[in-house]
Amino acid sequence: AQSVTQLDSHVSVSEGTPVLLRCNYSSSYSPSLFWYVQHPNKGLQLLLKYTSAATLVKGINGFEAEFKKSETSFHLTKPSAHMSDAAEYFCVVSPMFSGGYNKLIFGAGTRLAVHP
Amino acid sequence: DVKVTQSSRYLVKRTGEKVFLECVQDMDHENMFWYRQDPGLGLRLIYFSYDVKMKEKGDIPEGYSVSREKKERFSLILESASTNQTSMYLCASLSNPGQGADYYGYTFGSGTRLTVV
Repeated sequence: AQSVTQLDSHVSVSEGTPVLLRCNYSSSYSPSLFWYVQHPNKGLQLLLKYTSAATLVKGINGFEAEFKKSETSFHLTKPSAHMSDAAEYFCVVSPMFSGGYNKLIFGAGTRLAVHP
Repeated sequence: DVKVTQSSRYLVKRTGEKVFLECVQDMDHENMFWYRQDPGLGLRLIYFSYDVKMKEKGDIPEGYSVSREKKERFSLILESASTNQTSMYLCASLSNPGQGADYYGYTFGSGTRLTVV
């Protein structure tokens, strides 16, 4: 069975300090992994994705994530938080079935607050 | 850029009403999806479709049905709305195989916040 656990429902940081949003996954297959961001009253936007290439993935807006198979983790980081980063973040796993449809399994989300 | 458009941003319906949520994509994608989003639960898959007139149940299909008469349009139907269907509904489409690894991914609409009273 596939599942995603986001270890923190809320994270609060000060502007200019590092961001760490933690995600662990469980998958019977080699997964694709994604981070999506959702700003208030907006749709989901893809931040970055891992699809079995480089284990360190760089995304938009200075975010990056590292795929660690031994730890089944895919934590999202950013060196310096900006006020505009305040949003909800979703870690998503998609098991890589050969051919056909790839289902998305969402974590429960982490709400990031950034304080001045 | 791929565009996924959901026709309504906010809807208020009465218990027992039949409700239609519409979603249109403009990139000839074969796969389309309906999710509902609830606090603390993330997104849960209701139904998906991999071709015109084809549909598959997701994880929480009870109380919902779908329609895909044209490739670009995927409709979610609440046959008889109930208060526990008050939620944010998100539509998504998935790029087709062969469109390139860099392009591969889901595009989401902005969502429809449905309140059933």
